[in-house]
Amino acid sequence: KAGVTQTPRYLIKTRGQQVTLSCSPISGHRSVSWYQQTPGQGLQFLFEYFSETQRNKGNFPGRFSGRQFSNSRSEMNVSTLELGDSALYLCASSLAGLATGSGNTIYFGEGSWLTVV
Amino acid sequence: AQSVTQPDIHITVSEGASLELRCNYSYGATPYLFWYVQSPGQGLQLLLKYFSGDTLVQGIKGFEAEFKRSQSSFNLRKPSVHWSDAAEYFCAVGARSGTASKLTFGTGTRLQVTL
Repeated sequence: KAGVTQTPRYLIKTRGQQVTLSCSPISGHRSVSWYQQTPGQGLQFLFEYFSETQRNKGNFPGRFSGRQFSNSRSEMNVSTLELGDSALYLCASSLAGLATGSGNTIYFGEGSWLTVV
Repeated sequence: AQSVTQPDIHITVSEGASLELRCNYSYGATPYLFWYVQSPGQGLQLLLKYFSGDTLVQGIKGFEAEFKRSQSSFNLRKPSVHWSDAAEYFCAVGARSGTASKLTFGTGTRLQVTL
């Protein structure tokens, strides 16, 4: 069974540009979350989508947005890129996340490395 | 709000020696608990998780962790470390209630293994 797939794996963008990252969750998983990992701030939660609805959002500016499609694939977009947005962006998928109260294992992809110059 | 503390930023052990990585959490009730490992340039691989039941949890690669409610801890252990275990290890907590379906991570512990 295929794992969480993220594309592209590596990309370089210029300040002011925008970027779109894609995530295909494990088949059957309906919850997709995004995390940003930087050396200074560590792993931080961006947002979670479940059945095409944003269910939870972290403390990031509005430049960071996302969406989820009917097939559970998700994209995140960062507009007006800043140097500080350089990071590893990780996508995670689970059957239904943790909010159901029963708990679902959360699996991560390999990440998309974004460098802003 | 939930939080996680991994007090050891960097640990060095000899191959074959035992390992214990510490994790303390702050949460109003019993959270979901996870340990992930990250090799350089890679994503996060799940080692093990605690949802309920037996407080001693077995994971992949010979790792285990013990949930201790009284100490708010979820320490990761391995009886004999292999050189391939060198990586960064992250402890994470998730809330059991509400819609806060997110993981809060510790700052990680980098494990170096000497031969």
